[in-house]
Order: sequence, then structure tokens, then C-alpha cells
Amino acid sequence: AAGVIQSPRHLIKEKRETATLKCYPIPRHDTVYWYQQGPGQDPQFLISFYEKMQSDKGSIPDRFSAQQFSDYHSELNMSSLELGDSALYFCASSLSNSVRGGYTFGSGTRLTVV
Amino acid sequence: AQSVAQPEDQVNVAEGNPLTVKCTYSVSGNPYLFWYVQYPNRGLQFLLKYITGDNLVKGSYGFEAEFNKSQTSFHLKKPSALVSDSALYFCVVRDRSGGYQKVTFGTGTKLQVIP
Repeated sequence: AAGVIQSPRHLIKEKRETATLKCYPIPRHDTVYWYQQGPGQDPQFLISFYEKMQSDKGSIPDRFSAQQFSDYHSELNMSSLELGDSALYFCASSLSNSVRGGYTFGSGTRLTVV
Repeated sequence: AQSVAQPEDQVNVAEGNPLTVKCTYSVSGNPYLFWYVQYPNRGLQFLLKYITGDNLVKGSYGFEAEFNKSQTSFHLKKPSALVSDSALYFCVVRDRSGGYQKVTFGTGTKLQVIP
């Protein structure tokens, strides 16, 4: 079965650079969520989209932005990168009208800022 | 390989009754264990976690969870359910190795509290 696809798997950037992370949800899933997990930290919710509209916002820095496109894939754009942005970024997708949403996580993008 | 199982897709409970949402895990070594809650159209919110110490962990909104090492379980409980507790609940396992620890999410259990 198709899973949530995140790209790239690993990314190394320098301070003050920009990064774009991509998430491809399971087919027919209408909702996408982004989470950040720093080293030794618990996963933190960043932002979510339902039917291409922002549906919820968590602890996402102003330097970050995200959107969901017409094919339901989502991109997390990160500018003016800081060392503290080094983390594992998870994407999850779900189907809003199913019993438990078919909630599925991707395997994450590991961002290292040097 | 690390894994988390939430055997119930949905749990129905009457308001005022005790509730239990089940979680079992498989991991090498001693894990960190978490429960997160997701309300409709919202992101996951942290509920509670077990690191070490007392096997009964108390969290937000009156929830608690009991770590049982012999049964490798971490069931979520609440003595008296509220209608507002209706949501999707996720059990999460994180290993204790350094750096970017591996995190595994359960598939979620929908809790429906009936008035």
C-alpha cells in the first residue's frame, strides 16, 4: 500500500539558507500535518492543511511557511535557517471522513543546519 | 524493529463512565512513551509521557496512563469520561538512544463519549 512520501530524506543546509521540504500524502487523503522533532525532543505540531486551506497552526516560526497544492501534496518552506532548526520533520496525512482518519505518518526529513 | 499497536479503531463509552484506550509496544530496551490527542481538524496535542519512575503517569484533562513493563503496555485511562474527550488518541514510542531518536506513532483510536 502507498504510504506518505517525504522528500528529501536528508538535507544539509547552512545558516541563513532556505530549505523546502515536500510531503506527498496517501492518495485521496485530504489533510496534511507537519511536525518537528528536535534532537532529544518530543514531536511538536507545526501546521496543518485541509482541502488546501490552513486548518490549524501550532508552534511554527514566522520564518517558516507552508501550503497544500491542488494535488494535495504539501511543502514546508523554511527561510533564514538557524542551527536550532536542525530536526526531524514529519508529515502525516489523513482522510477527514473515515473512522479514525487513516492517519499515517511519513518517515521524515532530517534537516541539519550547519 | 520498534512498533506500536492500538488494537481498537474506535472506543465508545457513556459520559461519566471510566474509559480505557489500549496501547502495546515493542522496542529494544526501555522506551519513552507518549499519548497525544487530536481534536477534529487540529494537530496532535501532547497529553502525557512516561520517562521513568512511577508507573502511573498523570497528564492533562484528567487523563492518566499506566506503564506495564511485563505486558509492554501503556493504556490511557480516565475515571470519568466527558463528551469533550471525544477525539482521536495516538500512542507514541520513542527510543532512548542519543541524537535523533526513532519515533513510532500508533495508528490512532477514535474515542466517542456518548451523552
